[in-house]
Amino acid sequence: QLQLQESGPGLVKPSETLSLTCTVSGGSISSYPYYWVWIRQPPGKGLEWIGSMFHSGSTFYNPSLGSRVTISADTSKNQFSVKLSSVTAADTAVYYCARGAGGYNLDNWGQGTLVTVSS
Amino acid sequence: DIVLTQSPATLSLSPGERATLSCRASQSVGNLVTWYRQKPGQAPSLLIYDATNRATGIPARFSGSGSGTDFTLTISSLEPEDFAVYYCQQRSHWLTFGGGTKVEIK
Repeated sequence: QLQLQESGPGLVKPSETLSLTCTVSGGSISSYPYYWVWIRQPPGKGLEWIGSMFHSGSTFYNPSLGSRVTISADTSKNQFSVKLSSVTAADTAVYYCARGAGGYNLDNWGQGTLVTVSS
Repeated sequence: DIVLTQSPATLSLSPGERATLSCRASQSVGNLVTWYRQKPGQAPSLLIYDATNRATGIPARFSGSGSGTDFTLTISSLEPEDFAVYYCQQRSHWLTFGGGTKVEIK
């Protein structure tokens, strides 16, 4: 059974870089033909795609986040990570990692982790 | 960006009633629409993919329809666990989500 678990600081200061890791168990992040995805949800609001990494390592980012986002993987640990630079209060959200199957049908999700941006 | 507009924002119904949720895209997305249910305090979970296909383990009371720009999620008879927020998502051009429909107990 595939499981995903987010980890990282719950509090980040404005202008700093938010860094989260998703640890995957029960399946390999190198398995074809899956995407590994980061989604966020501000408190009380809807869902926003942050970016994705294909099993091959190719990455794709939400244009609205511009160059602030980087997604990378550590296949030896079966983990993938997201970094979001120059954060502001608007980046406060629950951050989810998920697996995309059949394209971007997100069939497995982590439980989510709340990241608050505040000084 | 493709904008998805969900309506209504809130649907007040009783257990056993039928729920009809709408999702409209700002341009054609073919059949590349996915529906999720998000229970309070939980991550979203996959219900319907490619507009009409139920995901593994999803009961038959959930059905999806539509193509192009107009999509519908129907719950034929609401169970207690169905009172939640529902999101549509398109994957025709990157990923975007609708704003959600909350199904609440009347």
